[in-house]
Amino acid sequence: QKEVEQNSGPLSVPEGAIASLNCTYSDRGSQSFFWYRQYSGKSPELIMSIYSNGDKEDGRFTAQLNKASQYVSLLIRDSQPSDSATYLCAVNILPGGTSYGKLTFGQGTILTVHP
Amino acid sequence: DGGITQSPKYLFRKEGQNVTLSCEQNLNHDAMYWYRQDPGQGLRLIYYSQIVNDFQKGDIAEGYSVSREKKESFPLTVTSAQKNPTAFYLCASNYDRAYGYTFGSGTRLTVV
Repeated sequence: QKEVEQNSGPLSVPEGAIASLNCTYSDRGSQSFFWYRQYSGKSPELIMSIYSNGDKEDGRFTAQLNKASQYVSLLIRDSQPSDSATYLCAVNILPGGTSYGKLTFGQGTILTVHP
Repeated sequence: DGGITQSPKYLFRKEGQNVTLSCEQNLNHDAMYWYRQDPGQGLRLIYYSQIVNDFQKGDIAEGYSVSREKKESFPLTVTSAQKNPTAFYLCASNYDRAYGYTFGSGTRLTVV
């Protein structure tokens, strides 16, 4: 089983719809969870972080975390063509004795928002 | 402006050559990381360092080497032992485990 696994894509939604991106992780000790957006040929940029169970909203983005089910998701409301990108789920796994941990990434989900 | 600078943006390597990718940050972050990304794939961790003069292997360290002589700098050497080095290489830094990483703009390495 992969440490971080994202729903297979690509995902295509019409402009104005809700895009739903899902991610599961295997390490129950994980404490920090992140969503990155990566445009083609560019480096990832952080769009959401979440640390406790429940929902966290930031503009059109909502991150949801369920630690019991080891599941984290990202909802994008009112999707725009500019949201078309690869979305990467990342989980901070803390090896023993380290302060900073290390991010483990899922394989990414390609999202296309069509007009 | 604070950030991470990776150079060069594009790098071509001949068979059997060692090449070094530069990563410099002025964010005063303690932790720095190197990731590799292959087409259509997520990021895989090569090496990371949480303090000067110390670093740890990630998941795919074979064929790579690093040094951390200064807090600001974390260069990655791709050695001739790395048989399939063509990829997009990303450097990142972090100051607290609760926060996500800041990434550089990446170096695209191609074997010719």
